[in-house]
Amino acid sequence: DGGITQSPKYLFRKEGQNVTLSCEQNLNHDAMYWYRQDPGQGLRLIYYSQIVNDFQKGDIAEGYSVSREKKESFPLTVTSAQKNPTAFYLCASKRVGNQPQHFGDGTRLSIL
Amino acid sequence: GENVEQHPSTLSVQEGDSAVIKCTYSDSASNYFPWYKQELGKGPQLIIDIRSNVGEKKDQRIAVTLNKTAKHFSLHITETQPEDSAVYFCAPPPGANNLFFGTGTRLTVIP
Repeated sequence: DGGITQSPKYLFRKEGQNVTLSCEQNLNHDAMYWYRQDPGQGLRLIYYSQIVNDFQKGDIAEGYSVSREKKESFPLTVTSAQKNPTAFYLCASKRVGNQPQHFGDGTRLSIL
Repeated sequence: GENVEQHPSTLSVQEGDSAVIKCTYSDSASNYFPWYKQELGKGPQLIIDIRSNVGEKKDQRIAVTLNKTAKHFSLHITETQPEDSAVYFCAPPPGANNLFFGTGTRLTVIP
């Protein structure tokens, strides 16, 4: 079955450490997205990519980095510059144009 | 970017009653209006969507209505059941590849 997979489900970060969240999709979607969700809050866009080797900053890109070397993969790195990284991170993909997004089941990041 | 407002932020209904959630948007060019449901610990999932060439779409107990003149669209859930309890998001994309979500409505169905 086609879908979008995020890993790991839970992740812990130490002070000064960078961590990378994985997002893989086999839906052949061109566009991929990363969102951050804080408790009881909506989704805030971190980065998005419409095509391989290209990506744009969203509303809250500071302290995060991404790459899009393959169509299927859009990893997110939470750097040590992100001072408040504890949150639920969601990855999504969609076809170009007015189409629905398909979400993974998220990664919950916590600070040790 | 698109300005999206979603109301109410929380909603409690008795089982069997109806629930209505409303979203307003600012971009007149929007022509696709999806609704997502997010269960605890999961990612949002599309439950229904509507395109601007129709005013209403139904799928069993769920319906979406669109008023392009007033720039709002609403999610209607009839005969609510406990499993409808979740957070619901609207998201009118502005015709490009960005996606701006509403702030979400936490629906609680009381048995």
